[in-house]
Amino acid sequence: DAGVIQSPRHEVTEMGQEVTLRCKPISGHNSLFWYRQTMMRGLELLIYFNNNVPIDDSGMPEDRFSAKMPNASFSTLKIQPSEPRDSAVYFCASSRLAGGTDTQYFGPGTRLTVL
Amino acid sequence: GDSVTQMEGPVTLSEEAFLTINCTYTATGYPSLFWYVQYPGEGLQLLLKATKADDKGSNKGFEATYRKETTSFHLEKGSVQVSDSAVYFCALSDRQGAQKLVFGQGTRLTINP
Repeated sequence: DAGVIQSPRHEVTEMGQEVTLRCKPISGHNSLFWYRQTMMRGLELLIYFNNNVPIDDSGMPEDRFSAKMPNASFSTLKIQPSEPRDSAVYFCASSRLAGGTDTQYFGPGTRLTVL
Repeated sequence: GDSVTQMEGPVTLSEEAFLTINCTYTATGYPSLFWYVQYPGEGLQLLLKATKADDKGSNKGFEATYRKETTSFHLEKGSVQVSDSAVYFCALSDRQGAQKLVFGQGTRLTINP
């Protein structure tokens, strides 16, 4: 199994530009999570999907952030316009939607730097 | 709301030393508890978990016991190796079957040969 795939691994952009982060979950997993990791705030859940439907987006910081999951094998997290304070590592994770709290498998992350 | 507090790092030990990383939690319900590990340049991996009081999770020589009376889930290993150098995260899900995880701030562990 290839694991969770994220692209790009590194992104450097200028303030005001649109940024799109991509994630391919593990095949057969039907839950997908987007996290942000910073030194100041640690690891924060931004949004998660079950069966491609957004369930909880209460962690999305502002309207500049949006996430989509058009099908079971692809999700995007978009920031428009980007700001320097958005600089962070963004992780995607996937799991099976089971009766219990199933293990979340994390991708390697996208390190975003907004200048 | 629910929260997780870990001992502050960084922690530096010599190879074969005994390891304890403290984790305490605050939750209104009956959470499940987890330890995740993050190696340099990688995403988090589940290390172990426990879903009810007095359960012990174990993996790769690491252990943690769910202590409801002290609201703790301390991570221990009897003899650490250089390869254990990583950042360790304690986490909880707020109830059985819940999908949202609340993470502690992480503890960076460095093992010197």
